[in-house]
Amino acid sequence: GAGVSQSPSNKVTEKGKDVELRCDPISGHTALYWYRQSLGQGLEFLIYFQGNSAPDKSGLPSDRFSAERTGGSVSTLTIQRTQQEDSAVYLCASSLSPGVVGANVLTFGAGSRLTVL
Amino acid sequence: EDQVTQSPEALRLQEGESSSLNCSYTVSGLRGLFWYRQDPGKGPEFLFTLYSAGEEKEKERLKATLTKKESFLHITAPKPEDSATYLCAVQAVNNNDMRFGAGTRLTVKP
Repeated sequence: GAGVSQSPSNKVTEKGKDVELRCDPISGHTALYWYRQSLGQGLEFLIYFQGNSAPDKSGLPSDRFSAERTGGSVSTLTIQRTQQEDSAVYLCASSLSPGVVGANVLTFGAGSRLTVL
Repeated sequence: EDQVTQSPEALRLQEGESSSLNCSYTVSGLRGLFWYRQDPGKGPEFLFTLYSAGEEKEKERLKATLTKKESFLHITAPKPEDSATYLCAVQAVNNNDMRFGAGTRLTVKP
């Protein structure tokens, strides 16, 4: 697609429920990133994919968070047993393969706003 | 661990009043330093990449500079449409992830 697409744009859920957030990167972009942005805060790194593999999972806040990427394209971020502190905007970004000129420029989606009641 | 610190947290300027935003970083080998602009309700948009100390990049009223420890984003004669949050990020040579600072929220009043 022309840009990075994220869905849903808004999600309200009850504490304890599971949620799935989807990211559809730019076609041809092999690198994919997930970040979390709490109200008025900067971007907190969650996980990075190169192709389907995740060499760096160090940012995932707890074992309730998991992410996968299939076919080197769409990625899903899953949060199990949601807590109120999980409320934030979850941003996805993609970029070209490392080593390609301009590879380190991230193109972001508009984000998925998660509210846990 | 790679760290990025931005200051000030918030900056209010009058239209035409030039100023600078700071980004201090520690990284085990810098591959690149990046500036992004974020408008409310949107994802960040890329502005500049800087790779080595002494490098400068310009775009309209913005100029980014880089030293071995910090980067500055200079805003010359800002306009209200420059109001946004400006984010700095670093990428290390030994990995591909991108670490962001907390941002500077800039407000330019007419």
